[in-house]
Amino acid sequence: DTAVSQTPKYLVTQMGNDKSIKCEQNLGHDTMYWYKQDSKKFLKIMFSYNNKELIINETVPNRFSPKSPDKAHLNLHINSLELGDSAVYFCASSRTLGQVDGYTFGSGTRLTVV
Amino acid sequence: SQKIEQNSEALNIQEGKTATLTCNYTNYSPAYLQWYRQDPGRGPVFLLLIRENEKEKRKERLKVTFDTTLKQSLFHITASQPADSATYLCAPEERYNFNKFYFGSGTKLNVKP
Repeated sequence: DTAVSQTPKYLVTQMGNDKSIKCEQNLGHDTMYWYKQDSKKFLKIMFSYNNKELIINETVPNRFSPKSPDKAHLNLHINSLELGDSAVYFCASSRTLGQVDGYTFGSGTRLTVV
Repeated sequence: SQKIEQNSEALNIQEGKTATLTCNYTNYSPAYLQWYRQDPGRGPVFLLLIRENEKEKRKERLKVTFDTTLKQSLFHITASQPADSATYLCAPEERYNFNKFYFGSGTKLNVKP
């Protein structure tokens, strides 16, 4: 029973397209996140939602728009995809914001923009 | 700006030995420091968290130390096994500074039988 699941696992698309990645957690956590892992393996936070409210919005192009219909779901929509958007995107959740029990990550979505 | 440094070169050790990984940070005042394991094609998995007032924390074969003066954390795996081969990431976290929770790029550990 997967704790944090994201779909799709792989996404190959052309420049200029719009795509979405979905994430769901069944842990009952209040906070969800989107992280981007680039080719150098740095994990950078993009967004954080706490109880469906946006908490963190790091310097991310406004082509990226997160949506949280409920606290178990956090989806990421990307408009006008660019080559530089190619990366692995991870969804994660934690019990609460700033908690110290660790984050639970999904298995990632590898996005390739051609 | 804040910086997290982990040895980018892979650490190769023989099975049964102790692996020691280093995490250095600058321009941070972390209240906590977390360690994660990441396998190829998978998301990071939480291993341990150590608080600023703790010098050492243990969990089974894992041991983490935290030196806020040196701005360094050491991660040890004793009696290492080939199954321990993975990339290990550290993540210092400042209290209430949620938008500054970054991960280091990790150190790849290879344990040879």
